[in-house]
Amino acid sequence: GAGVSQSPSNKVTEKGKDVELRCDPISGHTALYWYRQSLGQGLEFLIYFQGNSAPDKSGLPSDRFSAERTGGSVSTLTIQRTQQEDSAVYLCASSLGQGAGQPQHFGDGTRLSIL
Amino acid sequence: RKEVEQDPGPFNVPEGATVAFNCTYSNSASQSFFWYRQDCRKEPKLLMSVYSSGNEDGRFTAQLNRASQYISLLIRDSKLSDSATYLCVVSRYTSRGAAGNKLTFGGGTRVLVKP
Repeated sequence: GAGVSQSPSNKVTEKGKDVELRCDPISGHTALYWYRQSLGQGLEFLIYFQGNSAPDKSGLPSDRFSAERTGGSVSTLTIQRTQQEDSAVYLCASSLGQGAGQPQHFGDGTRLSIL
Repeated sequence: RKEVEQDPGPFNVPEGATVAFNCTYSNSASQSFFWYRQDCRKEPKLLMSVYSSGNEDGRFTAQLNRASQYISLLIRDSKLSDSATYLCVVSRYTSRGAAGNKLTFGGGTRVLVKP
């Protein structure tokens, strides 16, 4: 497909379980971002990948959160030992990255519910 | 202080009226600016880029004021379908961690157009 693809679209899991969320960016986009958004709230930046550089992890809320980006393409966000406050929509976005003026393109998000 | 700030609103606008709102940014090194639109429970979508000389796209006009570090969005002849949250996005180059053009989102301004 032409857009950013995220899976699963919905995930319901029990507190304490680990979850993996996947993002497949637009082909050729070197920058990839993860955000989360709680109901009625703004976007909360989590992590930013740019090419082969070390990621900017400054937004990750705790050490239970981690993300990888393999081969400069697909990214996986992992949340270990999930808590109820982790419930949110997790959005992934990609952009061409290099050069100013490159907007982000978002996936549909993964709606995560922790019971 | 947040890097990008917006009045959360809501701005209640009669159908057909004009509404305008601003977004301020704190980092003078910011290079590129965008307005995104987010509908309820949907992902953000690019509305328009903001150019130094100001630009128009149909009923939407965006302005940039670098001296005062703000951008604005004006919507003329508001339609019911314009009801959404409008997100201000600022891009700047960063060499920390993932070097590249990092985009930062404001918290959004909610606009409600009523008949």
